[in-house]
Amino acid sequence: AQSVAQPEDQVNVAEGNPLTVKCTYSVSGNPYLFWYVQYPNRGLQFLLKYITGDNLVKGSYGFEAEFNKSQTSFHLKKPSALVSDSALYFCAVRVRQGGKLIFGQGTELSVKP
Amino acid sequence: SAVISQKPSRDICQRGTSLTIQCQVDSQVTMMFWYRQQPGQSLTLIATANQGSEATYESGFVIDKFPISRPNLTFSTLTVSNMSPEDSSIYLCSVVPGAGGLQETQYFGPGTRLLVL
Repeated sequence: AQSVAQPEDQVNVAEGNPLTVKCTYSVSGNPYLFWYVQYPNRGLQFLLKYITGDNLVKGSYGFEAEFNKSQTSFHLKKPSALVSDSALYFCAVRVRQGGKLIFGQGTELSVKP
Repeated sequence: SAVISQKPSRDICQRGTSLTIQCQVDSQVTMMFWYRQQPGQSLTLIATANQGSEATYESGFVIDKFPISRPNLTFSTLTVSNMSPEDSSIYLCSVVPGAGGLQETQYFGPGTRLLVL
């Protein structure tokens, strides 16, 4: 079965420091992987995706993610965190049959000044 | 991308009643989905809304409880029937633009926040 895991419920980072939000996946075949962000009382916003090609994917708001096939990971990163990055982050994998997205549990990112 | 609107944005309902949530997309889409996000939880897929045919429900969700309509390629409704407090959640409409290829990005509406008393 296809699944996604986000091992950290919460990540705390000081403003200006680099941040990493972890994601691991389990799929059959090549994965289609996505990151979304949810701000309080808002819907989900798309950040970036990995389909094929370069393992380092750049997305919105200065975020990037690194696809690692051997470790089955797709960690979200940003070189310098902002207080405004504080939000709930979801990793997701697309199921080939039917095309639906399966989401990880979510990671609450808190960036303190 | 796709611009998705949902109505209502929020509602407070009494148990035993039903609520219909509307989802409108600014372009024709093949793939449309309904998700539920319970308080403090991740997103769970309720069903895939198929245009011109019955929706495809995920395990744990049934048509009698969550009837879905998809009359055309830009519009869908989800009804939450015979509500109980456990149905208090955010309900999100989601689409994959155009023909809905697997490489395409899936976009989400702003959600409908439902509280059942």
